[in-house]
This record gives sequence, structure tokens and C-alpha cells, in this order.
Amino acid sequence: QQQVRQSPQSLTVWEGETAILNCSYEDSTFNYFPWYQQFPGEGPALLISIRSVSDKKEDGRFTIFFNKREKKLSLHITDSQPGDSATYFCAAREPGTGSNRLTFGKGTKFSLIP
Amino acid sequence: GALVYQYPRRTICKSGTSMRMECQAVGFQATSVAWYRQSPQKTFELIALSTVNSAIKYEQNFTQEKFPISHPNLSFSSMTVLNAYLEDRGLYLCGARTGTANTEVFFGKGTRLTVV
Repeated sequence: QQQVRQSPQSLTVWEGETAILNCSYEDSTFNYFPWYQQFPGEGPALLISIRSVSDKKEDGRFTIFFNKREKKLSLHITDSQPGDSATYFCAAREPGTGSNRLTFGKGTKFSLIP
Repeated sequence: GALVYQYPRRTICKSGTSMRMECQAVGFQATSVAWYRQSPQKTFELIALSTVNSAIKYEQNFTQEKFPISHPNLSFSSMTVLNAYLEDRGLYLCGARTGTANTEVFFGKGTRLTVV
């Protein structure tokens, strides 16, 4: 059973639009959710993260909305720019010190219409 | 800032041979290092978790005999892929974090392994 699911698989928007990337999870003990941005040929770079005690986290044009009851979260990218084209991975982590175990979704490939 | 360097970035090895990859943390103490393999089919697979002064924990389907890991200090870790075969192809990622609870995991750019 896939623990972290992402949708859509791919998303294309016009420059300047807001993109919404969705993520859901199964394990209610997950309490930390980082989003990673990955460009082709590169490793994943931490973009923004949220803890389960919060319902919203904003950093510039990137905002996470978190719904603990429904075990869902979403990443909103406002004013989408060409440099935002990448694959975005939602991940989740269990609580506990020393836990370096992240469960990843399969990613959303995001691109802008040229 | 926290940076993680991986070396080599790309490597090609013959089927049945072995190759070693390295991970260096700069700007922070990597008390915990996780090695992942990323492939198109299986996205991120956790291979093992390594914490300084603790035993290395391997995930199901991964063994020390196949993927021996060394984590000798707070800035360096290495992993070897022994007897590499086609199914071992992929991008091997090192994710490091400090020992403080709930801190972020920083990844290197990965070592891409091609087996021919």
C-alpha cells in the first residue's frame, strides 16, 4: 500500500498562474511533511516543509495547506515562473528523534506552457 | 548553509563489479545519514539509515553484504554497491540531518550508477 500519494502525475500551467499540487498520506503518525523540488539530473532540494501542528506554511510564492483530519496537504505555487518547472515530491516522516526515514510520493512533474 | 556533496556524480561499471560512492556534509554535523536509491519505476527506495555511534539499519530487500556503508565521523559517509547488476541502476542519494529532533534532511545531487 502506497503510504504517500501525489496527484496529478503531471501538471502544466501558464506563466503567472497558480499551480496546486496535491498529496495525501495513510499513516496518521506522520507529523512532518517536506516538499522537495528536483530538476533533471539533480538531487532533490528541500523547498518548504510543514509540521502537523500547523495548517499553513508560506514561503514566498510557495504555500503548503495542511488538513490533518483528512490526511491531505497541498502545495500552491503562485505566479508560476519558468524556473519552477521541475518535479515536486511530497514526503512524510514519523515522529521520533533520529528518525531520518522519509516516505516519498511518486512526484508531480510540473511545467509551464511555453 | 547546509550542503551535502556526493561523489562521483556519475559512474559506469561492468556487470558484476563494485563501485563506491561518497557523501560529504559541509556546514553541519551529519549525525544521521540515509541512503536512498531513486529509479523511475520505484521512486525513492530507502536503503539504510546510519547514525553515528549506532548500528546501521538496512531496509527490507537491502543488505550489508550488498551495500556496505561506512559512517566514520560527523561529516562523511560512504556506500559501496557490490556485484552491481542491471537492477542496481539508478540515482543514489545521500540525505543527511543533524541529531536535533525534527530537523530537515538535506540531499546531495546524487551518484548516478549505470551498469553495462
